[in-house]
Amino acid sequence: KQEVTQIPAALSVPEGENLVLNCSFTDSAIYNLQWFRQDPGKGLTSLLLIQSSQREQTSGRLNASLDKSSGRSTLYIAASQPGDSATYLCAVTDRDNNNDMRFGAGTRLTVKP
Amino acid sequence: GAGVSQSPRYKVAKRGQDVALRCDPISGHVSLFWYQQALGQGPEFLTYFQNEAQLDKSGLPSDRFFAERPEGSVSTLKIQRTQQEDSAVYLCASSYGTAGNTIYFGEGSWLTVV
Repeated sequence: KQEVTQIPAALSVPEGENLVLNCSFTDSAIYNLQWFRQDPGKGLTSLLLIQSSQREQTSGRLNASLDKSSGRSTLYIAASQPGDSATYLCAVTDRDNNNDMRFGAGTRLTVKP
Repeated sequence: GAGVSQSPRYKVAKRGQDVALRCDPISGHVSLFWYQQALGQGPEFLTYFQNEAQLDKSGLPSDRFFAERPEGSVSTLKIQRTQQEDSAVYLCASSYGTAGNTIYFGEGSWLTVV
């Protein structure tokens, strides 16, 4: 069974810092990997989707990388802002069952002004 | 509506009570998913519909949980004889294709069983 782990569980940084969130998964047979953002009391918003054949995706100040063979992904946030404060969740979709998406427990990010 | 809509947003149920949670997916989305999210955890898969067909219900934790999508649009998740361990946020998501495509989540139904 796919296990998804996110480190650290929580992170607090001053505004302006660049930061890296980590995600690891145990089964490399994935269809894709997604990074989501969840604000308190809200649903999930997809930030970046990396197909299994891709190595990275970028959107604005966000960059996500994927190393499928080692079972790792990182989400890089440049020049962090207080508005980036949220929980960031990593999810992998199974290669053989595209409806089987497994989530990590998330990293709770606080960016202090 | 423009997004996935869930109701009620908040529900307090007495132990043993039955509850029904509703999800209105984005119009035209074929796939609909239910997830359960405990406090401080990531969402856990419950069940999946393709149109009106429930293709996967392997994540439903017990036979007290039942989901339906009779006309291939609105879905209802029903929990019978609620227990304290059922307290969680229940998230609905929809996608034009599979979960591996762009998936849109609702804001969730927060269930507290007392």
